[in-house]
Amino acid sequence: AQKVTQAQTEISVVEKEDVTLDCVYETRDTTYYLFWYKQPPSGELVFLIRRNSFDEQNEISGRYSWNFQKSTSSFNFTITASQVVDSAVYFCALSEAYSGGYQKVTFGTGTKLQVIP
Amino acid sequence: DTGVSQDPRHKITKRGQNVTFRCDPISEHNRLYWYRQTLGQGPEFLTYFQNEAQLEKSRLLSDRFSAERPKGSFSTLEIQRTEQGDSAMYLCASSLPFLGRSGNTIYFGEGSWLTVV
Repeated sequence: AQKVTQAQTEISVVEKEDVTLDCVYETRDTTYYLFWYKQPPSGELVFLIRRNSFDEQNEISGRYSWNFQKSTSSFNFTITASQVVDSAVYFCALSEAYSGGYQKVTFGTGTKLQVIP
Repeated sequence: DTGVSQDPRHKITKRGQNVTFRCDPISEHNRLYWYRQTLGQGPEFLTYFQNEAQLEKSRLLSDRFSAERPKGSFSTLEIQRTEQGDSAMYLCASSLPFLGRSGNTIYFGEGSWLTVV
């Protein structure tokens, strides 16, 4: 069974600080996909990134960066120079490759980020 | 707006009443998913459609829940004889066909909040 753990329930930072959201996952599959979603107060889950298990390259997109380490089963998310608009709940998620031919996504419990102006 | 749309966004109902939610996926997406999210938790998988066929149902989907996707386009999720424990946000998502090692991204709607009083 797959599992995603986000140990940080809530984080508060002052605007312009850097912040890292931790994600640890468990899966028995050798091929799987990792995701980060942002959920603002409106409720919509906004897709941020997808990572395939066979691609361990880290990725940077503007102020966002992701560190994928298979050796520690972690997929951490860093926001550089945080802004108030970054305040949201962030979910890490995992999907195995061949769960009945579709992607069944397992989510962590989320990390609520509050950026204080 | 070409994203996943859900209706209604909010529903308050009395215990024992039936409710129905509608989801319109992204037009070229043939895969459609329903998830449920309770306060402080990540979304949990309920069911999955490929075109009009319902191919997977979670054990979370009790007999009071029924989902349909009659023409392979929009989908409905009906809850009969609602209970207070059904209060949650019901999220719909859609994706393109799974592409093996490439995987695919699941895009979520804004969700339908249900409150059973």
